[in-house]
Amino acid sequence: GNSVTQMEGPVTLSEEAFLTINCTYTATGYPSLFWYVQYPGEGLQLLLKATKADDKGSNKGFEATYRKETTSFHLEKGSVQVSDSAVYFCALTQRAAGNKLTFGGGTRVLVKP
Amino acid sequence: NAGVMQNPRHLVRRRGQEARLRCSPMKGHSHVYWYRQLPEEGLKFMVYLQKENIIDESGMPKERFSAEFPKEGPSILRIQQVVRGDSAAYFCASSPIATNEKLFFGSGTQLSVL
Repeated sequence: GNSVTQMEGPVTLSEEAFLTINCTYTATGYPSLFWYVQYPGEGLQLLLKATKADDKGSNKGFEATYRKETTSFHLEKGSVQVSDSAVYFCALTQRAAGNKLTFGGGTRVLVKP
Repeated sequence: NAGVMQNPRHLVRRRGQEARLRCSPMKGHSHVYWYRQLPEEGLKFMVYLQKENIIDESGMPKERFSAEFPKEGPSILRIQQVVRGDSAAYFCASSPIATNEKLFFGSGTQLSVL
């Protein structure tokens, strides 16, 4: 079956530091890949997505590239802010799976001023 | 346009009691998904409903769990005779169409079973 593995947290950074959260997946066929973010006390929000190999999703300074050869979708941001403190979830979906999302375990990021 | 509303935010039950979790989708959304997040784990799909119909319940435990999405009113996830292992965060998401491209999540209900 499908699975998503992402690096465990918490990840603690200083403001303006570079952030990388690794995400790898296992799936048959060609899944769509997502990053969701959950700010404290809120629901998950879609951060970015990519639907085919070599696509780059980007939003709010975050980027992730769909790498089929390494089955990865690592999230990066060049300069984090305190407001980026949240839990980040990598996820995938496939039409063959009825569009159900398969999530990774989440990575908590804490940015200190 | 209000977001996906879940209530209660926190629910405490003793073993053997019933838990009812409510989800009001965004206005105009007729597709509802329930996910469960066990401690230290990712979200796991439970059930997908479209107004008055269960489309996919492949992630639902076979016993004690049920879900509905009536024509009027919120979607309800019902857990009968709760056990400690049911303690988790339960998230509801809604979309206007059958796709994850426009999925909006609620803030979740944290169920604690004593």
